[in-house]
This record gives sequence, C-alpha cells and structure tokens, in this order.
Amino acid sequence: SYVLTQPPSVSVAPGETARITCGGNYISIYSVHWYQQKPGQAPVLVVYDDSDRPSGIPERFAGSNSGNTATLTISGVEAGDEADYYCQVWDSSSDHDWVFGGGTKLTVL
Amino acid sequence: QVQLVESGGGVVQPGRTLRLSCAASGFTFNKYGLHWVRQAPGKGLEWLAVITNDGTKQYYALSVKGRFTISRDTSNNTLFLQMNNVRLDDTGVYYCALTPEDYFEHWGQGTLVTVSS
Repeated sequence: SYVLTQPPSVSVAPGETARITCGGNYISIYSVHWYQQKPGQAPVLVVYDDSDRPSGIPERFAGSNSGNTATLTISGVEAGDEADYYCQVWDSSSDHDWVFGGGTKLTVL
Repeated sequence: QVQLVESGGGVVQPGRTLRLSCAASGFTFNKYGLHWVRQAPGKGLEWLAVITNDGTKQYYALSVKGRFTISRDTSNNTLFLQMNNVRLDDTGVYYCALTPEDYFEHWGQGTLVTVSS
C-alpha cells in the first residue's frame, strides 16, 4: 500500500515559519489533507485538497503539493500551534486505502 | 452541528469480542461514508474501515480484515464496529469520522479500548 513519510519532529521559535513535509511516490497526483492533534484531543482538519482551509482555520496554515513532497506551512507560529500533525491521502488504487503519514510533532521553542 | 459520539470501549481479554458504537447527529446520516480510525498509545493514526453512505460496501485495512466488521443503522443514526478475536495490539483510542469527500472532516472524541489479560 501507499506510504507517506513525515519527519518525527520539527521545532520552531514563536513568530517563525514551520514547514512540515509529507513524502510519497508521485504524491502530487493525490489530494493531500492535513490534521492537527493536540494531546488528549481528536484530530482536527486544517488543510484539505492540498491547499484549502476549512472554515475557522487561520490563514497562517497553508498547504502545497508538488513532485514527491507535500508541505504544510504554518506562518507566524504561536504557542498554541504546538501539536502533532498528520498528512493523509486516499489511495483508491489499492482497495480503498485511507493512508496517514506517521505524524510530526511540532515544538514551539 | 455535526456530532459523533463513540461508546462501548473498555477492557477486554485477548480473543474476546467488543462492539463499539458511534451515535451521529447534526447531518443527513445516509448522505456520507463513515469510518473508524484508531490510535495506539503514543502512536499515529491508523485507518481501519469505511462503510458507504448506503451501507452496501465496506472496506477494511489489512490489519483488521476478517476480524472487524463495520455496519450502520440508519433508523438510529448509529455506526458500529464489531471487534472479534481482539489482540493486544488492538489497544488504542477508536474514533469514528465522517468523510464528505476523501478527507475526514468531522471526528468523534474517541473511545478507549484496552486489550489485556
């Protein structure tokens, strides 16, 4: 089945820009979605279809997808952005697999 | 607003059976596919199963295929996960989730399943 690879951790100072990558073979042909999960809470969708934001998600959260890498970019990082972030795609080619990346822990220094 | 409320978790012995429920409200139940996703302690998210909006098709992750069964009751707006022959590595928080397209737009708060002898 399709594999998504994320770095285990990313650290950034408040106010800086965080970039969280999600690697996959020809990932650009998939729609990539991103979730934020804080400790003890359910995941929250922050970006869908590569770069769209659900209502209520700040413009600071942006997504892109090209080649073999999709990226979630968080601008002007705040302490409240500290969380685990997961990328996800739907692989319709292999028995309808919904695939998650392993997750990235964002630490705000 | 959309609400998904899981229940039925608890402590279960290896090899036994458990049935999870997810009560849905705030949307037209038979319009959307519904999923189960789990998270082992300290680990990432793992998709388990999906049932189509009309309940006619179900798809499973290899890790649970043949042991777990997803179903839905339209009359009571409830999603189920029948877990048979549970294993130690089935321990985790189980979430139900709704997909309007191929992303999980709404999640429940989760129910904890602990498999232990």
